[in-house]
Amino acid sequence: DTAVSQTPKYLVTQMGNDKSIKCEQNLGHDTMYWYKQDSKKFLKIMFSYNNKELIINETVPNRFSPKSPDKAHLNLHINSLELGDSAVYFCASSITRVSGANVLTFGAGSRLTVL
Amino acid sequence: AQSVTQLGSHVSVSEGALVLLRCNYSSSVPPYLFWYVQYPNQGLQLLLKYTTGATLVKGINGFEAEFKKSETSFHLTKPSAHMSDAAEYFCAVGDYGNNRLAFGKGNQVVVIP
Repeated sequence: DTAVSQTPKYLVTQMGNDKSIKCEQNLGHDTMYWYKQDSKKFLKIMFSYNNKELIINETVPNRFSPKSPDKAHLNLHINSLELGDSAVYFCASSITRVSGANVLTFGAGSRLTVL
Repeated sequence: AQSVTQLGSHVSVSEGALVLLRCNYSSSVPPYLFWYVQYPNQGLQLLLKYTTGATLVKGINGFEAEFKKSETSFHLTKPSAHMSDAAEYFCAVGDYGNNRLAFGKGNQVVVIP
C-alpha cells in the first residue's frame, strides 16, 4: 500500500483551465502539506493542514485553494491556470510530535504542465 | 527566517570515491536538520536527521552527516559511492515552534563508473 498517494501523476492542460490534484495518506498522520518544486528542483512549501485546520498558508496566489475533508486527505484546486504554474506538486504528511522536527513522508509528485 | 545553502547544483563522483555534499544553514534558534534524497520520478525520502544529542548522525544507505554548530554546517558524506546513489539530495532546516521546513536547492549527484 502506498503511504502517500497523489493523483493524477501527470496533468497537461491549457492556460485558463481549472484543475485539481488529490492526495491521500494511510499513515495515520495528522498533518499534511503541499510543496511546489519548480523546474530548477527548488522546493517551497505552499500549505499545511493539521487535523483539517489550515496552519501554514505561504504567499501563494489565491487561485490555489487547498481543501482537507478529513485528516487523511488534502486536495489542491487551481483556478485559471497560468504558464508559471507548471511544476511538480508534492503532497507530504507527518506526525506532529515536535513542531519543526517532524519527518515528512512525500508522495511521488504530480507533474503539472500548462500549455 | 531559516534558510539553507547548498553549493554546486551538480556533483560528479567516481564509483567507490567519497561523496561529500555541503550544507550550511541559517537559523535564529537551535535547528533541526535533515537530508532527503529524491530518486528520478519519485518523492523525497528521509536519509537522516539531527534534532538533539549526538552530532554525528548515521542514516540509510551508508550516509552520515555531522552537525557543527560553530560552522553552522551539516555536511553529508558517504565513504564509497555506489551507482545507486545517483539522485538529487536536499538539505533542510526546521526549528521548534515552526512547522515549516526550508529546503536547499539540492545537489544532483552523478556517479561515474
